[in-house]
Amino acid sequence: DQQVKQNSPSLSVQEGRISILNCDYTNSMFDYFLWYKKYPAEGPTFLISISSIKDKNEDGRFTVFLNKSAKHLSLHIVPSQPGDSAVYFCAARESGGGADGLTFGKGTHLIIQP
Amino acid sequence: DTGVSQNPRHKITKRGQNVTFRCDPISEHNRLYWYRQTLGQGPEFLTYFQNEAQLEKSRLLSDRFSAERPKGSFSTLEIQRTEQGDSAMYLCASSPQSLATNEKLFFGSGTQLSVL
Repeated sequence: DQQVKQNSPSLSVQEGRISILNCDYTNSMFDYFLWYKKYPAEGPTFLISISSIKDKNEDGRFTVFLNKSAKHLSLHIVPSQPGDSAVYFCAARESGGGADGLTFGKGTHLIIQP
Repeated sequence: DTGVSQNPRHKITKRGQNVTFRCDPISEHNRLYWYRQTLGQGPEFLTYFQNEAQLEKSRLLSDRFSAERPKGSFSTLEIQRTEQGDSAMYLCASSPQSLATNEKLFFGSGTQLSVL
């Protein structure tokens, strides 16, 4: 069963507009969330993270929002640029141990159109 | 800063053969992780090491899979008697300390395995 869900396999956005990528999770033990970006034939690269004690974290054009009651987080990219075209993975870490790894969603392929 | 290095980048093998992949983490990182990614899926955790100790293994890691990190530096992942279902991208990642301190993982470019 998918504990981290990214329900949109792909998203197309015009250059300069806002991109919003969504992620839902089911495990209430998750307390730290990350977004990774992946280009073809490369490994994922870290983008931004948020702890469950916060509801927003901002880094330049990237902002992550966390709604714990809804078990939902979103990544906002403003303004969207052609280089943002990639697959974006939402990932979560469980507090208190477990596998000590990250649980990833299936990813959303973001396409920025000129 | 050379990043996480994985070799080979691509491996094509016949069903039943053994394959071995290598990962060199970022030098000061004591934690090393192996993940597997298949088409249309996100990376799935396989196993991790703290220094030379293998601390956790996923149920995805069948007995045909073995991972080592003999001196706490580079790591190898071996798959014996490969099956077509083993075809995937095998990703290695490292981190300087436990994820419990909100550190992030640094991934290599992966080894793409194709089993014919």
